[in-house]
Amino acid sequence: EAQVTQNPRYLITVTGKKLTVTCSQNMNHEYMSWYRQDPGLGLRQIYYSMNVEVTDKGDVPEGYKVSRKEKRNFPLILESPSPNQTSLYFCASSLFWSGGETQYFGPGTRLLVL
Amino acid sequence: GENVEQHPSTLSVQEGDSAVIKCTYSDSASNYFPWYKQELGKGPQLIIDIRSNVGEKKDQRIAVTLNKTAKHFSLHITETQPEDSAVYFCAASKDNNDMRFGAGTRLTVKP
Repeated sequence: EAQVTQNPRYLITVTGKKLTVTCSQNMNHEYMSWYRQDPGLGLRQIYYSMNVEVTDKGDVPEGYKVSRKEKRNFPLILESPSPNQTSLYFCASSLFWSGGETQYFGPGTRLLVL
Repeated sequence: GENVEQHPSTLSVQEGDSAVIKCTYSDSASNYFPWYKQELGKGPQLIIDIRSNVGEKKDQRIAVTLNKTAKHFSLHITETQPEDSAVYFCAASKDNNDMRFGAGTRLTVKP
């Protein structure tokens, strides 16, 4: 089944404790991105990757890192999480980055930083 | 950059009625306008999209209209059913790197 998977789905952590949220897609998509979803703000892009070893900042990259060593995986790293990073996170992928390509979203990771 | 506004934030309709959600965008260069449906506990899923060279697109009970001059686009759901209850997001972009989402509309269809 074609899908985007994220792990973990739920995570409670404390301020400053490094964490990684994994994202994997099995559709051979070139483009992958991370979004955070907060009430009243919709989805905001954190980072994106147009292909392996190519990553760039989205609208809200502060406090996050990403890597794209393989085409299928695009982990989101929080080196020192803070409470303002408490949010619902979505990974997405599409065949290409160009306009008009359908983005497929993962199921989401709900993060609480105490 | 692009800015997308979405209204209303909540919408409640009776089963069988129509529902309309409206979005406006600011960047006249945007050329792709998808609509996503997000059910509880799931990620957003594309339900319909429209490109700037088309004024209207329909898929069964769902339709989207685009007015490029006024820079607004709308989602129309006819004959609503309880399973249409979800949060709906509009978005506008020139490419996926520049996609901006509206804040979302929580639609409730009452049986």
